[in-house]
Amino acid sequence: GQQLNQSPQSMFIQEGEDVSMNCTSSSIFNTWLWYKQEPGEGPVLLIALYKAGELTSNGRLTAQFGITRKDSFLNISASIPSDVGIYFCAGYAGNNRKLIWGLGTSLAVNP
Amino acid sequence: EAQVTQNPRYLITVTGKKLTVTCSQNMNHEYMSWYRQDPGLGLRQIYYSMNVEVTDKGDVPEGYKVSRKEKRNFPLILESPSPNQTSLYFCASSPLLSTDTQYFGPGTRLTVL
Repeated sequence: GQQLNQSPQSMFIQEGEDVSMNCTSSSIFNTWLWYKQEPGEGPVLLIALYKAGELTSNGRLTAQFGITRKDSFLNISASIPSDVGIYFCAGYAGNNRKLIWGLGTSLAVNP
Repeated sequence: EAQVTQNPRYLITVTGKKLTVTCSQNMNHEYMSWYRQDPGLGLRQIYYSMNVEVTDKGDVPEGYKVSRKEKRNFPLILESPSPNQTSLYFCASSPLLSTDTQYFGPGTRLTVL
């Protein structure tokens, strides 16, 4: 099935650094979602975006719905060790209510 | 506490031995879904259910069965497991009109020898 292109695939950063990751699609999306999966757990929804250009924050996390409606970005400011995990983007394209997932960005934070 | 529970959390079995992974949610959600997660392949949907007695195939339904006899439960059945079904399985639930806000269970790690 259709998948989203998520990059980078993995990141290894120092504590305190800012992080940026993105998700792109060849199709227009009307909803973008960002989930985080911690080791040994299921994914948890971080941010949901519903309008082109929308910028939404959740603590140190900020996500944006790209104006072309074909991409989304997630930024994490001043990373801390508990930010470790896999970050997934997901979304709905057009009128299709089937949720499409990216392959994830694995984040490691060096204290 | 609102949650999705799965059992067992870990299972090692042999090829051909039928097994069931249970999933239960206490949030009165209509929508429930099963995913498998494999390295390099992300999350792939196996089956989903929009309400009691309503189930449908996801992207990778082959080799799996589900049932939805009660709103809170959505078991995943492997009639004759094979090694290519070794994976990490997640159950998720959400209100029917908010399938973007899915709540995931803790996962079941299955190994088929």
